Amino acid sequence: DAKTTQPPSMDCAEGRAANLPCNHSTISGNEYVYWYRQIHSQGPQYIIHGLKNNETNEMASLIITEDRKSSTLILPHATLRDTAVYYCIASLIIQGAQKLVFGQGTRLTINP
Amino acid sequence: DAGITQSPRHKVTETGTPVTLRCHQTENHRYMYWYRQDPGHGLRLIHYSYGVKDTDKGEVSDGYSVSRSKTEDFLLTLESATSSQTSVYFCAISESRLWPPEQYFGPGTRLTVT
Repeated sequence: DAKTTQPPSMDCAEGRAANLPCNHSTISGNEYVYWYRQIHSQGPQYIIHGLKNNETNEMASLIITEDRKSSTLILPHATLRDTAVYYCIASLIIQGAQKLVFGQGTRLTINP
Repeated sequence: DAGITQSPRHKVTETGTPVTLRCHQTENHRYMYWYRQDPGHGLRLIHYSYGVKDTDKGEVSDGYSVSRSKTEDFLLTLESATSSQTSVYFCAISESRLWPPEQYFGPGTRLTVT
């Protein structure tokens, strides 16, 4: 699986959009970009994933550059409950099994 | 937590004793995973299962064994616990009919080996 690079920490004001960058310059053509977050010591929570196209769901938007070497997770209206560690993962899926490789992630703090 | 429970939630044990952690799901998902998380680290995959009695190693499998005799249960065993296995253990599941898969995680088990 390709290595990903994220800033260790970011701050964002409540109500503003939080934009979390991720570099994955060695990503292969069949690796998906996944985002998870972990609030306090809870189990990680799935947010969104994408391959080539931008994606949006009820939680967030994922913008993937055309060359797929980087992506941005966007939380459109951040709330205090979005304070968490966010993990960007480039993942291969082999025969349905997915071995997620978590890096250090970005610690996002939403400030009131 | 998507119908995933882990037991026990907390355990303290002594070095050299066997320990078994249980992951139970009510979702009938095919794939199950065990991860560990240590301070300052992201999660690391220990073992995973792609069906009943079908398991494979992950990144940090030494010192651990797993078993899956039923779809709903995935057991992680530390045959002889060591202090380096003090960690938080997370179980995850994913559905084979969803492509690409999404993993859903349990609440975790905090294990302390003294």
